[in-house]
Amino acid sequence: DQQVKQNSPSLSVQEGRISILNCDYTNSMFDYFLWYKKYPAEGPTFLISISSIKDKNEDGRFTVFLNKSAKHLSLHIVPSQPGDSAVYFCAARDAQRQKSGGSNYKLTFGKGTLLTVNP
Amino acid sequence: KAGVTQTPRYLIKTRGQQVTLSCSPISGHRSVSWYQQTPGQGLQFLFEYFSETQRNKGNFPGRFSGRQFSNSRSEMNVSTLELGDSALYLCASTKGYRYGYTFGSGTRLTVV
Repeated sequence: DQQVKQNSPSLSVQEGRISILNCDYTNSMFDYFLWYKKYPAEGPTFLISISSIKDKNEDGRFTVFLNKSAKHLSLHIVPSQPGDSAVYFCAARDAQRQKSGGSNYKLTFGKGTLLTVNP
Repeated sequence: KAGVTQTPRYLIKTRGQQVTLSCSPISGHRSVSWYQQTPGQGLQFLFEYFSETQRNKGNFPGRFSGRQFSNSRSEMNVSTLELGDSALYLCASTKGYRYGYTFGSGTRLTVV
């Protein structure tokens, strides 16, 4: 059962326009959401995150929106640049505390969306 | 400051062999997690270690194991390799619950 879904495997946009990447989740225990960008043969690079108590977080060209009632988040990139072409993963962290008293550091990832920004 | 370092970068093994992958987290990061990335399944959580203890484990068979040393470095071991174990294995570290996760570049394992 996939708890984090990115339903669009790919997205193509023109340079300068807006890129909107979407992500849906099912687990209401997720308390923190992250977006990662990944180039081939490299590890994911953290982009931006949002706590479940917020509905928007902005960092430069990147804005993440969270709609808790719809269990949906999106990443907006404005303006899109050719260098943004990569696979984008959304990830969610479970809020469950461990019996040991520690916190849960497990991330559940979507399968990714390949973004291509055309010059 | 140095990032998360994973060695080796590439590895080719034959079915039935075992393999050990290494991960050195960012200095000061005590939590190390391992993920498997395959084209069909995306990134899947393997396990997480903190202070030499496994705190969390994903849905992988017992052939996948790991450990963490006192200096926070971690190793992941896969025994009796299968063709389906071919993947990019990623390690991530963090210094706390409220902080981000930094990934290494991964180890590309190919099982032939």
